[in-house]
Amino acid sequence: KNQVEQSPQSLIILEGKNCTLQCNYTVSPFSNLRWYKQDTGRGPVSLTIMTFSENTKSNGRYTATLDADTKQSSLHITASQLSDSASYICVVSAGGSYIPTFGRGTSLIVHP
Amino acid sequence: NAGVTQTPKFQVLKTGQSMTLQCAQDMNHEYMSWYRQDPGMGLRLIHYSVGAGITDQGEVPNGYNVSRSTTEDFPLRLLSAAPSQTSVYFCASSYDSSGLGEQYFGPGTRLTVT
Repeated sequence: KNQVEQSPQSLIILEGKNCTLQCNYTVSPFSNLRWYKQDTGRGPVSLTIMTFSENTKSNGRYTATLDADTKQSSLHITASQLSDSASYICVVSAGGSYIPTFGRGTSLIVHP
Repeated sequence: NAGVTQTPKFQVLKTGQSMTLQCAQDMNHEYMSWYRQDPGMGLRLIHYSVGAGITDQGEVPNGYNVSRSTTEDFPLRLLSAAPSQTSVYFCASSYDSSGLGEQYFGPGTRLTVT
């Protein structure tokens, strides 16, 4: 069964600090991996999309990495801001399937 | 562009009632989909469409119907609401008809079934 596990479940950091969120998956055959940011009460917003051949992709202060061999991805947030407080969701799609597998998300709280 | 719009934002139904959640997009995207989001769980795909006139079941389709008569609209129908359908519903669209590309989500509809 395809699965996506995210850790930690929740994280509290101080404004200005960096943090890294983890995503492990067992989806096969792998097609792509996406990271979304979901603010409370809103729909998810795409941060990055990575295919098998991509190791790193950045979007401003957000940098995603992918290790297709170990089936792990991370999302690194640099110099966190209060507006980074949100849930971060990892989504993995399998080739030939229209049904993506979503992780449960990591809830990030940034304190001033 | 308004992007993906959903109506209503909130809805309360009694068990057994029916209703339609509306979803529209103005980006000319071929792929549209419906998800539900429950506390402590990842989003789950209900139904999806790869183009006008084409729909298919996702992970949790029971109790829901969809149709896609135009590229812009993708309504979700609850035929006989049940308390288990209390959830937040998101509509999404993508320029990539395979569903593998970036998806744009609507603001969500919060549904409570009593």
